[in-house]
Amino acid sequence: GEDVEQSLFLSVREGDSSVINCTYTDSSSTYLYWYKQEPGAGLQLLTYIFSNMDMKQDQRLTVLLNKKDKHLSLRIADTQTGDSAIYFCAEKGSDTGKLIFGQGTTLQVKP
Amino acid sequence: EAQVTQNPRYLITVTGKKLTVTCSQNMNHEYMSWYRQDPGLGLRQIYYSMNVEVTDKGDVPEGYKVSRKEKRNFPLILESPSPNQTSLYFCASSSQTGQGAFFGQGTRLTVV
Repeated sequence: GEDVEQSLFLSVREGDSSVINCTYTDSSSTYLYWYKQEPGAGLQLLTYIFSNMDMKQDQRLTVLLNKKDKHLSLRIADTQTGDSAIYFCAEKGSDTGKLIFGQGTTLQVKP
Repeated sequence: EAQVTQNPRYLITVTGKKLTVTCSQNMNHEYMSWYRQDPGLGLRQIYYSMNVEVTDKGDVPEGYKVSRKEKRNFPLILESPSPNQTSLYFCASSSQTGQGAFFGQGTRLTVV
């Protein structure tokens, strides 16, 4: 069935780059997403990538998609303390609006 | 401003007392859904709706009901809440273009 896996925790120092990884199983996924959840808040869409793309860059964020390995990553350049949050990877199937989420990766940014 | 509004944000209730969590979106989105978020389990879909009067079960529908009488509203109903429904609930809406879902701020429900 459909499944999305992420590591649960990542700790980096302020100013370093962060890389959050995700693997998924549904090869028919059309879109893949990264969401950010700050404490006490809802999920905020950070970026998304269409399945026929390899890379997408948006300011400090770079998304890489390896469709062959079903691997998605989110790189945050020059990580700031305000980037501390839980990051969710999600995939969307081809024929429904349903999103399948990973468990979320908690990013801790140390000053 | 494009948004998804859930109410209430916090709710403490007793076992068996029916409750409704409301959700409204102002983006004319076709697709709406409810998720619950529990530690270590990520977000799991409860119910979804692809348009007015079209609803279907998600991954964890037991103990929940929904309705979609209007495009903008998608209430979540717990007819007889139980303590295992204590969770953080999110409503989301999206268009069919696939450009991401908008989430509400969440409803933290405690059933005692």
